Amino acid sequence: AQSVTQLGSHVSVSEGALVLLRCNYSSSVPPYLFWYVQYPNQGLQLLLKYTTGATLVKGINGFEAEFKKSETSFHLTKPSAHMSDAAEYFCAVSDRQGGSEKLVFGKGTKLTVNP
Amino acid sequence: ETGVTQSPTHLIKTRGQQVTLRCSSQSGHNTVSWYQQALGQGPQFIFQYYREEENGRGNFPPRFSGLQFPNYSSELNVNALELDDSALYLCASSLDLYSEQFFGPGTRLTVL
Repeated sequence: AQSVTQLGSHVSVSEGALVLLRCNYSSSVPPYLFWYVQYPNQGLQLLLKYTTGATLVKGINGFEAEFKKSETSFHLTKPSAHMSDAAEYFCAVSDRQGGSEKLVFGKGTKLTVNP
Repeated sequence: ETGVTQSPTHLIKTRGQQVTLRCSSQSGHNTVSWYQQALGQGPQFIFQYYREEENGRGNFPPRFSGLQFPNYSSELNVNALELDDSALYLCASSLDLYSEQFFGPGTRLTVL
């Protein structure tokens, strides 16, 4: 079964600093991987996704992630943090067994951006 | 194009009661998935409906049930509520089975 592990439930960075949120996955088939962001009292918004092809994926709001098969990782980065990036971030892998598609999420990483 | 909407926003129930949560998908989306997000956790898949039929279920008991209607709306019903059912319930609609899932803002259910 597919699973996702997000390392670090809380990450704190200064405004302008690099953001690095870690995600490792386990999948028995070539994975489809996703990063979602959740602002307080809101639903999930897709930041970016990897399906096939280029391993460096660019998303919205300046975020990008690199799929590394050898490391089973899909870490999320942003060169320069902005105050508006403060939110909770979820990594997910798609599980398409049984004819349905369900997203299997990690437990999330709460990002704090300090002025 | 309107987004995915859910109602109500918040709900308080007591143990043993029944609850119905509603979701309105984006127009033309024939697939809806429901997720439960407990406090401090990532969302967990409850089930998926495709063209008004259940098309996959997560590790949730039968007291969690759903319906999908031709007008792109859907319901999540939970019977015999337990304290552990307190969570944010998210619905996500997609154009087709394997298309991008668009999430609604969720319904926060509190069971006392």
